[in-house]
Amino acid sequence: EAGVAQSPRYKIIEKRQSVAFWCNPISGHATLYWYQQILGQGPKLLIQFQNNGVVDDSQLPKDRFSAERLKGVDSTLKIQPAKLEDSAVYLCASSLFRRGGGPNTGELFFGEGSRLTVL
Amino acid sequence: KNQVEQSPQSLIILEGKNCTLQCNYTVSPFSNLRWYKQDTGRGPVSLTIMTFSENTKSNGRYTATLDADTKQSSLHITASQLSDSASYICVVSGITGGFKTIFGAGTRLFVKA
Repeated sequence: EAGVAQSPRYKIIEKRQSVAFWCNPISGHATLYWYQQILGQGPKLLIQFQNNGVVDDSQLPKDRFSAERLKGVDSTLKIQPAKLEDSAVYLCASSLFRRGGGPNTGELFFGEGSRLTVL
Repeated sequence: KNQVEQSPQSLIILEGKNCTLQCNYTVSPFSNLRWYKQDTGRGPVSLTIMTFSENTKSNGRYTATLDADTKQSSLHITASQLSDSASYICVVSGITGGFKTIFGAGTRLFVKA
């Protein structure tokens, strides 16, 4: 089974430039997440999609970050304009959604991440 | 406020030794707790997952324990190997206004030869 695919793996940009990251989740996973992981910290949720609808974007800096998941499969995360503090690894994860709970409900499968350096 | 706190922040051990990592949480109501291993430059990979009724779960040399009453979990690594050098992240999921997943900051483990 193919895992979560992300690209690019690495990106270096100057502040005020824009950048876009792409994610292809595991086939059949309805839920897709974007996390920001700053060096030395745990991942912080930016946005969660259920199919192509947004479930939670409360921690997404909407003045500069945007994300979409057209057709409920692939997703893109965009930053425009970038700031120095946006330097981080951007992780995409996907999961099956099972109504009624269960031990695997919400189990996350992560991609390798996209490392962004803003100079 | 839902929180997940891990200790120690970092740990250095010699190859072949055992170690135990701690996770305390306040997420309620609780659904499940997972331990992830994150190698440098890679995405996190799930090691174990436990629900409210489970006290212990093993995956090879990794054994996780859960005390839902005290809201504490531990990850024990037996006979450590150099490849165990990584960050270990405790992740707790709860059901409060929707399914929420809270990440700890992780414990950075260094295994030295």
